[in-house]
Amino acid sequence: QTVVTQEPSFSVSPGGTVTLTCGFTSGSVSTSDYPSWYQQTPGQAPRTLIYSTNIRSSGVPDRFSGSILGNKAALTITGAQADDESDYYCVLYMGSGISVFGGGTKLTVL
Amino acid sequence: QVQLVQSGAEVKKPEASVKVSCKASGYTFTAHYMYWVRQAPGQGLEWMGRINPNSGGTNYAQKFQGRVTMTRDTSISTVYLEMSRLRSDDTAVYFCTRGRIEDGFDPWGQGTLVTVSS
Repeated sequence: QTVVTQEPSFSVSPGGTVTLTCGFTSGSVSTSDYPSWYQQTPGQAPRTLIYSTNIRSSGVPDRFSGSILGNKAALTITGAQADDESDYYCVLYMGSGISVFGGGTKLTVL
Repeated sequence: QVQLVQSGAEVKKPEASVKVSCKASGYTFTAHYMYWVRQAPGQGLEWMGRINPNSGGTNYAQKFQGRVTMTRDTSISTVYLEMSRLRSDDTAVYFCTRGRIEDGFDPWGQGTLVTVSS
């Protein structure tokens, strides 16, 4: 069974750049998998950051960007800020109406 | 503005059923799929399934097939998630979210905590 993988945790310095990735346990991610990215802080509903690989949701700062890097989807945060410290989740479309979340990445800014 | 408002918290015993509602406003209800996502305490997000409010057609994650039913009432712009044979590991916050494959999921409901405990 194909699973969606993310780094469990990542750390970035304030002002630094970090790239989180999202892949399949078997196979490559492409734009046809419509990768999307969500940010979640404890006790809150997720917030949409990126959809269809690289389209920023309304109101999302341009320091968040999405892409395909190699065989994975990627979320890059440029100029990380303290309030970027959150959990980040990707979603990939599996076909036949089914999508799957990755396990999430806990981002620490310090 | 587009808004999704969910029903309140529920406490259920094992083997019982629960039905959570999600009322949509601010857009054409039948124009977008509605998805259900859950999050167990301290765990990640889990995609459960989706319903087409126009046709009533559904797609469920394999894990929930046979135990989850998604329905809608177009007259009141509301979708429902019903889960049967509840277990303790179904304790989670359940979110509804509007979406399309190419547009991602946005916005999200506020979440409904379902607690399964004897």
